Amino acid sequence: GDSVTQTEGLVTLTEGLPVMLNCTYQTIYSNPFLFWYVQHLNESPRLLLKSFTDNKRTEHQGFHATLHKSSSSFHLQKSSAQLSDSALYYCALSDRVNYAQGLTFGLGTRVSVFP
Amino acid sequence: DAGVTQTPRHEVAEKGQTIILKCEPVSGHNDLFWYRQTKIQGLELLSYFRSKSLMEDGGAFKDRFKAEMLNSSFSTLKIQPTEPKDSAVYLCASSPTASQNTLYFGAGTRLSVL
Repeated sequence: GDSVTQTEGLVTLTEGLPVMLNCTYQTIYSNPFLFWYVQHLNESPRLLLKSFTDNKRTEHQGFHATLHKSSSSFHLQKSSAQLSDSALYYCALSDRVNYAQGLTFGLGTRVSVFP
Repeated sequence: DAGVTQTPRHEVAEKGQTIILKCEPVSGHNDLFWYRQTKIQGLELLSYFRSKSLMEDGGAFKDRFKAEMLNSSFSTLKIQPTEPKDSAVYLCASSPTASQNTLYFGAGTRLSVL
């Protein structure tokens, strides 16, 4: 079945430094649709950004990611971390055409940003 | 517009009890999902409905977990009988089909099984 692998565990970094969270996937489908969801403390997950277009950068709220089908990756990046970026980040996968299977989520990466 | 509504927000159950969690999706959304969230396993899919039809029943969760969509605006998740390992946050999410799985999550129900 489908699977998503993310940077494991906890990422700690200093405010102002760049952020990169890894996400790779495995799927039998030829039209993968990739998502990043963010969950702040005591809140529910919400969509951060999504893409199904190969090699096209997508951006939202200072974050960006590019789907690379050749390497099955959809890494999340930000040039300068803020304290408010401390949260749990999930990468997720579905199929753009056959989306009857729903979303498959990675295990999540917790980010803690310190002053 | 109202978001996804889940009740109760917290539930405490004794081992062996039956509990029912409730969810009201965003009005007009055709897809409804139930997920279980734990620190170890992250988000695990329990059930997925499209236009009230069950698309995915969560495989390993089939024996004690049963989700139903009684109508387009109400779903329940029954756990019977509960076990301590069921302690987790249960999240309901809905999605307009045209958005291809962009999920809107409810606030969740935190279940503790003693």
